[in-house]
Amino acid sequence: GDSVTQMEGPVTLSEEAFLTINCTYTATGYPSLFWYVQYPGEGLQLLLKATKADDKGSNKGFEATYRKETTSFHLEKGSVQVSDSAVYFCALSDRGGGSQGNLIFGKGTKLSVKP
Amino acid sequence: DVKVTQSSRYLVKRTGEKVFLECVQDMDHENMFWYRQDPGLGLRLIYFSYDVKMKEKGDIPEGYSVSREKKERFSLILESASTNQTSMYLCASLGLAGGKLREQYFGPGTRLTVT
Repeated sequence: GDSVTQMEGPVTLSEEAFLTINCTYTATGYPSLFWYVQYPGEGLQLLLKATKADDKGSNKGFEATYRKETTSFHLEKGSVQVSDSAVYFCALSDRGGGSQGNLIFGKGTKLSVKP
Repeated sequence: DVKVTQSSRYLVKRTGEKVFLECVQDMDHENMFWYRQDPGLGLRLIYFSYDVKMKEKGDIPEGYSVSREKKERFSLILESASTNQTSMYLCASLGLAGGKLREQYFGPGTRLTVT
C-alpha cells in the first residue's frame, strides 16, 4: 500500500542554519503531497502542498518540490528561526489535483532551533 | 477561519471505563476523521465519516467506535479503555469546495491517559 518515509529526528539546529527534512513516498497513481507542522501543544496545520510532478509548494520561507523520478518531497528552509521549532509531518493523499481525502502520514520529525 | 474543537485537552481515565471524545467543527464540513498520534508512529487513522450516520474504519479501529448523529459533531468512543489506548487523539474535518476536497483542518488534540 501507499506509504511515507521521512527522516527520523530529532533535528537540532542553530538559528539561521539551513534546514532539510527528507521525505520519500510509495504510491500507485499520482498522489498529492503535503507538509504539516505541529507547534507545541497544538494540532496540525497545513504548511505547504504540491499536486503534481515538478510543482513547488512554498509558505513561510519553507519550500518542497514534488520529484516524481525520485519519489521525494524534501522540506527546505534557508534560515531557520527559533519559532520554527515544531514537529513536521510529510503526508500524501491518493486523490490528485490538490484535493484531499484520507491522508497517509510519515512518522514526524521534531525540529529544535537554538538561539 | 475553520474551527475544530475538541472537548478536552487532557483526560485521565481508569482501565475499563467508557470514554467519549467529542469533536465539533463549525464549517459545515462533510468529512471528519479521528487519528491517534504516538511517538515514533506518526498519525494513524482510527475512523472517518463522510456524512451524517456514515462511518468507515481506518487503519486501527479495534477497541474504538464512533458516532456521527449531527454533521458538526463526530464522537470517538472507547468502550472499555485500556492502557494501550493512552495516546494523543486528533480530530480533523475536511470540506468540499468547487467539487474538490480541500485541506484537512485539525483540532488541538486530546491527550488521554488510561491508568
